[in-house]
Amino acid sequence: GAVVSQHPSWVICKSGTSVKIECRSLDFQATTMFWYRQFPKQSLMLMATSNEGSKATYEQGVEKDKFLINHASLTLSTLTVTSAHPEDSSFYICSASMVGPRNEQFFGPGTRLTVL
Amino acid sequence: ILNVEQSPQSLHVQEGDSTNFTCSFPSSNFYALHWYRWETAKSPEALFVMTLNGDEKKKGRISATLNTKEGYSYLYIKGSQPEDSATYLCAFPMTTDSWGKLQFGAGTQVVVTP
Repeated sequence: GAVVSQHPSWVICKSGTSVKIECRSLDFQATTMFWYRQFPKQSLMLMATSNEGSKATYEQGVEKDKFLINHASLTLSTLTVTSAHPEDSSFYICSASMVGPRNEQFFGPGTRLTVL
Repeated sequence: ILNVEQSPQSLHVQEGDSTNFTCSFPSSNFYALHWYRWETAKSPEALFVMTLNGDEKKKGRISATLNTKEGYSYLYIKGSQPEDSATYLCAFPMTTDSWGKLQFGAGTQVVVTP
């Protein structure tokens, strides 16, 4: 149980295009989903917190117009990188938190984005 | 941004040997410490959530200790096996409002050779 999937697992796109990444909780309802980014040899950095049915909360320094997050249902959150540029190339990973006091996070396998 | 540091960055272990590595975190305003295991091409998997000073948790051959007063946690692997090869991450909640907002360390990559 508690499986989170991400799609696609990797994507290569041209500079200026937009890329959508999906994060799904397959066997549980996730009231909260988190989006992280990881640059090479660095730690996972929280980008934003996404709650179902409400606007995402972005961490300082993360452009909300650049990284559009939608959490339309209890099992799906999407991250759209708009007008991607080479500096957006990174590893993006989501996690989903179950309803409950422990708030344990379950992670997806991540998406490798390369912008040419 | 909280200062969560892990050392060493990587280590190579011979099969059968035991090893340990460290996560250091701010000792003030401690809420919890999470340990994750992340195998290549897979999802990070939660190992432990540690909350109390002096906590010791164990899962098979992997165990962890916690010292909140001095701000560190050790993860131990006893009798390392090749399947223990992974990156081990520790994470520290950013606020009391949500355990979800985690500040991660950069991880310790463990390679166990037969």
